[in-house]
Amino acid sequence: DVKVTQSSRYLVKRTGEKVFLECVQDMDHENMFWYRQDPGLGLRLIYFSYDVKMKEKGDIPEGYSVSREKKERFSLILESASTNQTSMYLCASSSEMFVGGKNIQYFGAGTRLSVL
Amino acid sequence: KNEVEQSPQNLTAQEGEFITINCSYSVGISALHWLQQHPGGGIVSLFMLSSGKKKHGRLIATINIQEKHSSLHITASHPRDSAVYICAVDHYGGATNKLIFGTGTLLAVQP
Repeated sequence: DVKVTQSSRYLVKRTGEKVFLECVQDMDHENMFWYRQDPGLGLRLIYFSYDVKMKEKGDIPEGYSVSREKKERFSLILESASTNQTSMYLCASSSEMFVGGKNIQYFGAGTRLSVL
Repeated sequence: KNEVEQSPQNLTAQEGEFITINCSYSVGISALHWLQQHPGGGIVSLFMLSSGKKKHGRLIATINIQEKHSSLHITASHPRDSAVYICAVDHYGGATNKLIFGTGTLLAVQP
C-alpha cells in the first residue's frame, strides 16, 4: 500500500512564527502536492513538485514556499504564519502527471494548523 | 462559477436508502475521480473513470462525457458510509494535468 505520512495531525502556532509541514511518501512517486482545505472552498493547490528540487506554484502560493531535497520528502514552509493560514493542509503524491498519464493521487491524513 | 460543481452540498439519509451524489464540470478532462474523506481528514480514492461506469461493492460511479456529468451512487447505505465525498477532474491544460476539486458533499447516514 502507498503510504503518505504527514509529520503532525494538529499544530498550533503563533502569528509570525516560521512553520514547517513535512510530508514523506514511500512509493518512489515523482510528483508531490500540497493543498489546503477550507469549508466551502474545497481543496486548493498551493505548490507541487514533479521532481527533486523542482517546484511549481499552484493556485494559491502566496505566503508559502516549498522544499524538495529528496524524492520522498516534500516540505511546506510558512515563512511568517498569519491567522488566515489557519486551515487543514493535505499532502499528496502520484506516479504520473503528464497528459495521457494516470493521475491517481494518494493523500496523507492531513495537518490541522491553527495560527493564533 | 466553479469549474466543478457538486450537489447536494449536504445529504442526510436513513440506513438502507439508495444515495446519489452528482458532479458537473465545465472544463475538458482526461478523467474524473471520486474521493472519500472521513472525519479526521484522510482522503482515499474511490474511483477514477473516463467513460461509462465502474462498480466496487455497494458503490457505483458513472460518467457522461457529452453532458459533462458524473454520479456516485451508494446502494443499501450504512452509517459507516458517512463521510465527505469529493469529485475531482483531471484537467488537461498545457503540459501537465491538474486536479480540480469540487467542494464536496457531506453525507450523514442515520441508523
